[in-house]
Amino acid sequence: TQLLEQSPQFLSIQEGENLTVYCNSSSVFSSLQWYRQEPGEGPVLLVTVVTGGEVKKLKRLTFQFGDARKDSSLHITAAQPGDTGLYLCAGAPNFNKFYFGSGTKLNVKP
Amino acid sequence: NAGVMQNPRHLVRRRGQEARLRCSPMKGHSHVYWYRQLPEEGLKFMVYLQKENIIDESGMPKERFSAEFPKEGPSILRIQQVVRGDSAAYFCASSPNRGQANPLGKDYGYTFGSGTRLTVV
Repeated sequence: TQLLEQSPQFLSIQEGENLTVYCNSSSVFSSLQWYRQEPGEGPVLLVTVVTGGEVKKLKRLTFQFGDARKDSSLHITAAQPGDTGLYLCAGAPNFNKFYFGSGTKLNVKP
Repeated sequence: NAGVMQNPRHLVRRRGQEARLRCSPMKGHSHVYWYRQLPEEGLKFMVYLQKENIIDESGMPKERFSAEFPKEGPSILRIQQVVRGDSAAYFCASSPNRGQANPLGKDYGYTFGSGTRLTVV
């Protein structure tokens, strides 16, 4: 049973398009993180959100934490080939270890 | 300012052999987490350790797997009598505390190593 469900699993778009990736759960999280992983490397932390309804921006990336702290979304504006990678969300139910979603594999074609 | 160092990067073992994976956390980090990742999947929690203590091993298989984080030296994930199903990427992450430095402060979270890719032949 997956604690965190990510959708879509795969996404292939053209450079310049916008996209949104979703991370959903029936559990409440004290905090939720987004990571990006490139082939052959470990995940790299992009952002942490802790407050319900919180929105954080990181250049062309916008992260939102749901009001009930059960879900989150990542929106990328004007995607670039450098955005290609596996995007993982991770949630901590009780300020302890993080559980990871299965990831969204993004391919941005030039 | 080295990050989390894992070695080896690639490890090939025959069925029945032992695999030892090493992880040196970032300087100043005393909390280590091991995760396993199968191709095209997310990371599955295995074990959380502090120096000389196993805090949470709820994700570890009951047999053949063990982990330690001694007072001196790296954390070791040990897999005895490996089987083909053990083939995966094993990632280590570290944090300065329980991964929740300051909920109201700067972004915090894990720093991951580059992983060890174990192949059992």
